[in-house]
Amino acid sequence: GENVEQHPSTLSVQEGDSAVIKCTYSDSASNYFPWYKQELGKGPQLIIDIRSNVGEKKDQRIAVTLNKTAKHFSLHITETQPEDSAVYFCAASISGAGTALIFGKGTTLSVSS
Amino acid sequence: NAGVTQTPKFQVLKTGQSMTLQCAQDMNHEYMSWYRQDPGMGLRLIHYSVGAGITDQGEVPNGYNVSRSTTEDFPLRLLSAAPSQTSVYFCASTQGVGTDTQYFGPGTRLTVL
Repeated sequence: GENVEQHPSTLSVQEGDSAVIKCTYSDSASNYFPWYKQELGKGPQLIIDIRSNVGEKKDQRIAVTLNKTAKHFSLHITETQPEDSAVYFCAASISGAGTALIFGKGTTLSVSS
Repeated sequence: NAGVTQTPKFQVLKTGQSMTLQCAQDMNHEYMSWYRQDPGMGLRLIHYSVGAGITDQGEVPNGYNVSRSTTEDFPLRLLSAAPSQTSVYFCASTQGVGTDTQYFGPGTRLTVL
């Protein structure tokens, strides 16, 4: 079945450094790739997304890149701040399943000041 | 708009008991989904619906039933709870394909003893 692999599982950076999280997906028909941030005790919140017809998208300190040929996409956070500390999930759309998603297993990002 | 609401927030069941997790959205979204989240496993799709009267199975459907009699509500039923169903359950909704942003509810933490 479809699968999304996410690396690393944990990431520790100093405030102001950049953080990069990488995902690969298996379903070549996937065409929508969101990233979610989850804080303790809360539901996931969308932080950025990208569609298969776009290679890169940026929103202030956050950017996502997509390589459809290699079936991988990455999240880049620049100038990290302590409030960026959370669990981040990548996801890919499941072809033929409406807007349902398959998720990676998550990356716990810790930003120390 | 209240967005996506879930009740209850916490629930403890004994093995073999049944219960229904409630999910409602007031955004007139066509698509709704149920996910479960277990430590180190990310979110896994249980069931999804592309509109009132239409449901389908996701990645881990066994032990769960759903129905979608209205656009607003998408309850998840556990017919005979098992300890393996101890998890945090999230409901999500999306307006429709092409507007793929999924909005997640706050979750229900279920413990089965």
